Amino acid sequence: EPEVTQTPSHQVTQMGQEVILRCVPISNHLYFYWYRQILGQKVEFLVSFYNNEISEKSEIFDDQFSVERPDGSNFTLKIRSTKLEDSAMYFCASSDRGGYGYTFGSGTRLTVV
Amino acid sequence: EDQVTQSPEALRLQEGESSSLNCSYTVSGLRGLFWYRQDPGKGPEFLFTLYSAGEEKEKERLKATLTKKESFLHITAPKPEDSATYLCAVRSGGGNKLTFGTGTQLKVEL
Repeated sequence: EPEVTQTPSHQVTQMGQEVILRCVPISNHLYFYWYRQILGQKVEFLVSFYNNEISEKSEIFDDQFSVERPDGSNFTLKIRSTKLEDSAMYFCASSDRGGYGYTFGSGTRLTVV
Repeated sequence: EDQVTQSPEALRLQEGESSSLNCSYTVSGLRGLFWYRQDPGKGPEFLFTLYSAGEEKEKERLKATLTKKESFLHITAPKPEDSATYLCAVRSGGGNKLTFGTGTQLKVEL
């Protein structure tokens, strides 16, 4: 069964450092997403990406965040200057044109110290 | 703003003891109600999408139903391996953003 792959599974970084989280979406999907889940809280939408541009973003997705599809297979989330409150699980997801097959990856646990 | 409320927050069942989880939602223009299963430290695993009131879907011991205000996830004769957090999410409006509830943590004991 097709899956969304995320790397690394766990990343520890110092406050103020830049991090890049990586994802390989399902190959024939057209929409790509990032969500986050702070420990013990609900899964929250960050951003959606379609046709090489951001199609929707939440209030959480401020200027510290950016997304990119550097090639035909990878989708990345960059956090420019991490804060303690950025510590969370970050999930990548992808879906096809109609939002069908909305599949999540296994996540990257980001710990900011 | 879309709102999703799940109840109960936690549920403990004996193996074989059937029950239901509830997901109440408030959206403008529902374009899909999603159920996911989440194991500790893992990503949400897709179970079902429901699109219109009256729709039902089944998978093994799970059955999801949808009304205009809520969805139920019925678990028939659960087994310990069904222990997980079950998440409900809605998609509405013109985009593909999902709005999640806080989940129901299910524990099935022998």
